[in-house]
Amino acid sequence: TQLLEQSPQFLSIQEGENLTVYCNSSSVFSSLQWYRQEPGEGPVLLVTVVTGGEVKKLKRLTFQFGDARKDSSLHITAAQPGDTGLYLCAGAGSGGSNYKLTFGKGTLLTVNP
Amino acid sequence: SQTIHQWPATLVQPVGSPLSLECTVEGTSNPNLYWYRQAAGRGLQLLFYSVGIGQISSEVPQNLSASRPQDRQFILSSKKLLLSDSGFYLCAWSRPGTGRWGGYTFGSGTRLTVV
Repeated sequence: TQLLEQSPQFLSIQEGENLTVYCNSSSVFSSLQWYRQEPGEGPVLLVTVVTGGEVKKLKRLTFQFGDARKDSSLHITAAQPGDTGLYLCAGAGSGGSNYKLTFGKGTLLTVNP
Repeated sequence: SQTIHQWPATLVQPVGSPLSLECTVEGTSNPNLYWYRQAAGRGLQLLFYSVGIGQISSEVPQNLSASRPQDRQFILSSKKLLLSDSGFYLCAWSRPGTGRWGGYTFGSGTRLTVV
């Protein structure tokens, strides 16, 4: 069973601060996806990283896939209250079932104005 | 454009009652479909997935079942609900053939409370 551990579980910061959340596993994933979920809603896909060492930027969000494809990080610069939400990472397996995703438990981020 | 509909949004059911949650996708053909449960607003647990009509795979043994009677319809059912079935149920779809690049699109979820 492939497991993804996210840290920290909870993060409360002030507007304008920078932060990094982590997603780690002992397993190799063929890709890593990051989602953001707001209360009472379904998760929304932010990014997919596929290649080891890959870095993708989405405005103030920077995503990195580890060289060994076992871990990923999400860095937010100058956080805003609108960034508040549950951030979930999800890993895709290999082979014929690579469309199945394993989700971490998430990092609950609160950005205070 | 593709859309996913999931209903009802909230449901309160007594223990021992049946359950039927429905999910439909529009604007695509032969999608991969998934049912997840999320406890206490945290991680998602995959319950069932389907790659075609009548093809259902179960990830965990439980009191629930799933069916796919039509290409873009996915139903989650139970004959007798347990208290432990309470949670936030999410339906999702992904484009077939996209493999590890294929992101999921989730519905807005059903909050089920078993009393």
